[in-house]
Amino acid sequence: DAKTTQPPSMDCAEGRAANLPCNHSTISGNEYVYWYRQIHSQGPQYIIHGLKNNETNEMASLIITEDRKSSTLILPHATLRDTAVYYCIVKISLAGYQKVTFGTGTKLQVIP
Amino acid sequence: DGGITQSPKYLFRKEGQNVTLSCEQNLNHDAMYWYRQDPGQGLRLIYYSQIVNDFQKGDIAEGYSVSREKKESFPLTVTSAQKNPTAFYLCASSRGTGTERTEAFFGQGTRLTVV
Repeated sequence: DAKTTQPPSMDCAEGRAANLPCNHSTISGNEYVYWYRQIHSQGPQYIIHGLKNNETNEMASLIITEDRKSSTLILPHATLRDTAVYYCIVKISLAGYQKVTFGTGTKLQVIP
Repeated sequence: DGGITQSPKYLFRKEGQNVTLSCEQNLNHDAMYWYRQDPGQGLRLIYYSQIVNDFQKGDIAEGYSVSREKKESFPLTVTSAQKNPTAFYLCASSRGTGTERTEAFFGQGTRLTVV
């Protein structure tokens, strides 16, 4: 499995964009980048995923560099409810099950 | 509503006792997983199952056992052999092979405290 590297913590002012980086320099050609978040004492929640094109949904945008070695999750207008730990993982999407390890993620604190 | 349910939310047991954590899903997912999370740490994979009657050890399977007799259910037993069982346990499920949407859906977790 490709490993990912994320900063341990970040702060963001409420209403501003939160940009969370992830490094996955050993990603394989068939591996997708997935993002999840975990609000304190709850189960992680899926946010978005992508292969090589930028993706956007109602929760966030995902920007993947052309060489696919890094990506950025963007929360366009952060709210206090976005305070959580954000996990970036890589997996082969079409493989169905794949042993996936979640690292320690980035703890995002949204400040009023 | 479709989802994945873990019960109970909080569980207390005496040291040396086995305890079983429940995980049920009605999403018709083939794959199911158990993770353990310790304070300030990421998720570590205990066991996973791709299909009924089949399961594989994850990274930290020692002291745990599972069964997958039904597609909907994947109970985890924490045995007395698990040296440090107090933790937050998370169950997840995902679709099987052949589809792009294989993201994991997680339950709300069971916090086990062994005293």
